[in-house]
Amino acid sequence: DIMMTQSPDSLAVSLGERATITCKSSQSVLYSSNNYNYIAWYQQKPGQPPKLLIYWASIRESGVPDRFSGSGSETDFTLTISSLQAEDVAVYYCQQYYYTPWTFGQGTNVEIK
Amino acid sequence: EVQLVESGGALVQPGGSLRLSCSASGFTFSAHNMHWVRQAPGKGLEYLFGISPNGRDTFYAGSVRGRFAISRDDSKSTLYLQMSSLRTDDTAVYYCVKEGGTHMFYWGQGTLITVSS
Repeated sequence: DIMMTQSPDSLAVSLGERATITCKSSQSVLYSSNNYNYIAWYQQKPGQPPKLLIYWASIRESGVPDRFSGSGSETDFTLTISSLQAEDVAVYYCQQYYYTPWTFGQGTNVEIK
Repeated sequence: EVQLVESGGALVQPGGSLRLSCSASGFTFSAHNMHWVRQAPGKGLEYLFGISPNGRDTFYAGSVRGRFAISRDDSKSTLYLQMSSLRTDDTAVYYCVKEGGTHMFYWGQGTLITVSS
């Protein structure tokens, strides 16, 4: 199975500052035929299901604020929150869907400093 | 509007069995791969199973193979997870997930299984 490793495990950022989470996959998730990276990012708040933020590594889901952005290719990916807001406090997960079984990073807990 | 509603969660004894259902609406259920993912209390996300339209193909993770099985009834727009030989470490919230379409991935609210004596 593909292993997904996120860093850091926990992150404290001041309101209005940038938050950056990285995700590394143990194998490339870039499909050469379509040049898509099969990576998604989720936000999860307590008692709620994961909410899709980003798919194809950089495509923002409809309704997601533009302060959230995704980048990267092959094995190295980044989720950036450009200006942290109070409502962004949550756990964030990356997911690869290139291979079955899907695998997820261990999660990054983002809080306010 | 897309809706996925999981049901069947319960408190069950170790060794017991349970069937979860995920009732879908707001999209053409028969056209989509569907999946089950679980999350143990305070833990991360764990993929369990996927199934293609018509149930032609199934995708699974090794951790529950042989004890759990996925199926679907496209005529009822319902996804199922049959669980047997339940263990205490199967305690989790179980989510059904739709793949593709208007939303790349759409998750239900989840249903809680507690395995305890």
